[in-house]
Amino acid sequence: DSGVTQTPKHLITATGQRVTLRCSPRSGDLSVYWYQQSLDQGLQFLIQYYNGEERAKGNILERFSAQQFPDLHSELNLSSLELGDSALYFCASSVQPGQGSAEAFFGQGTRLTVV
Amino acid sequence: GQQVMQIPQYQHVQEGEDFTTYCNSSTTLSNIQWYKQRPGGHPVFLIQLVKSGEVKKQKRLTFQFGEAKKNSSLHITATQTTDVGTYFCARTGNQFYFGTGTSLTVIP
Repeated sequence: DSGVTQTPKHLITATGQRVTLRCSPRSGDLSVYWYQQSLDQGLQFLIQYYNGEERAKGNILERFSAQQFPDLHSELNLSSLELGDSALYFCASSVQPGQGSAEAFFGQGTRLTVV
Repeated sequence: GQQVMQIPQYQHVQEGEDFTTYCNSSTTLSNIQWYKQRPGGHPVFLIQLVKSGEVKKQKRLTFQFGEAKKNSSLHITATQTTDVGTYFCARTGNQFYFGTGTSLTVIP
């Protein structure tokens, strides 16, 4: 158990809809990262939050947004969903970024299927 | 830019054979981490390399960091079916940028 909790585990929705994925980071971790993993693909970095503030953006579509709340949990909002958005979405957390020994702890992921 | 490339993308080996995956960066890395993702699972941290030329071992796994700190490798000796999964390297800094991954299949 990594200590990172993601809900829901599975989500099936129709094109054009909007969904929210939730992540609770490991206790004490201030950084949260979101990644998208499509079938047989690598981990595409979407966005990072640190202590409530956006820290870095990767290949995140404009239809996607995220936020980190005061209790440090994070939500990833995906809107106007398309078939190509079907993927596994991972949340990861770590201690303060840049610390030499920081490692990423991943949640179990949310598998999103857009039909 | 930030990406690290891994080769090969896929590798099929007979159980008992050795396996190596390589991670290459166009820029010098401050450190490199390796993760393993089992089929249906999530990435799990294996190890971090920091020093130029560093070599670390975990049982049958040997991790190396290049002298120029631009490449790294993971070698598995005598693969077992439990080694199946995708191995990712990751460059770290303020974010974790993962390599493209190598998917290992072990044929019993």
